[in-house]
Amino acid sequence: KAGVTQTPRYLIKTRGQQVTLSCSPISGHRSVSWYQQTPGQGLQFLFEYFSETQRNKGNFPGRFSGRQFSNSRSEMNVSTLELGDSALYLCASSRTSGRATSYEQYFGPGTRLTVT
Amino acid sequence: SQQGEEDPQALSIQEGENATMNCSYKTSINNLQWYRQNSGRGLVHLILIRSNEREKHSGRLRVTLDTSKKSSSLLITASRAADTASYFCATDNAGGTSYGKLTFGQGTILTVHP
Repeated sequence: KAGVTQTPRYLIKTRGQQVTLSCSPISGHRSVSWYQQTPGQGLQFLFEYFSETQRNKGNFPGRFSGRQFSNSRSEMNVSTLELGDSALYLCASSRTSGRATSYEQYFGPGTRLTVT
Repeated sequence: SQQGEEDPQALSIQEGENATMNCSYKTSINNLQWYRQNSGRGLVHLILIRSNEREKHSGRLRVTLDTSKKSSSLLITASRAADTASYFCATDNAGGTSYGKLTFGQGTILTVHP
C-alpha cells in the first residue's frame, strides 16, 4: 500500500498570504489528522476529519481550517499568514472509526512552510 | 499543550549499547504509542501499547506501561547508527473527546555513534 502523501513538500510564503496544503491518506483510511510541529511548541494537534466531517479541533485560531473530500483526501488552509506559522505541517491517517484513537496513525513526510 | 514529558531530552550512546527513554503523561489513556522522527521528516510509528497491557515487544524494541504511575519506557536493544533519531511518545485521552488526537511529548534525541 502506498503511504500517506503530502503536497507540496516545501513552501515559502509572505506574511498576509494564504496557503493550502494537501494530504492523501493510505487507501482505506478514513480518518485524517493534522499536526503542526515547531521547535518551540513541539507537535500540536490541529484537527481531525472523518467522512468529510471535522470531529475534533485543537487550540488554533480560526485562520486554520481544513476539509475532507469524499475520497478521504484532506486539505488544510491557513489564511493571513504570520511569521509564527512557519512550521512543519504533518498529516496522519488512521483506519479508526471509533471515538478513541485506538489505532496507529501513519504520518506523511510533512510540508515545510516558511513565512517571510 | 504537551501532555507527555520525556526523559532524557538527549541521549548519546555507542553502537551496540541499549537505549532507554522514558515518558510520563497526565490523563487517563486508552493507549500509548511511540514514534520515531528522522531529522525533521515525518513520524514513523514504532509500537502501540494499550492501557491494559504492561509490556510489549517488537524486534529490538521493548515498551513498558505503568498506568498507576502514568509512565512508559522505550528500550532499544543493540542500538545501531541508523537508530539515530528523535523519539516521541504519544497518548490519546480516555476522558475527553479523542477523535484522531494524539498528544505528544517533547521527544528524546537519540544519537548512536558508530
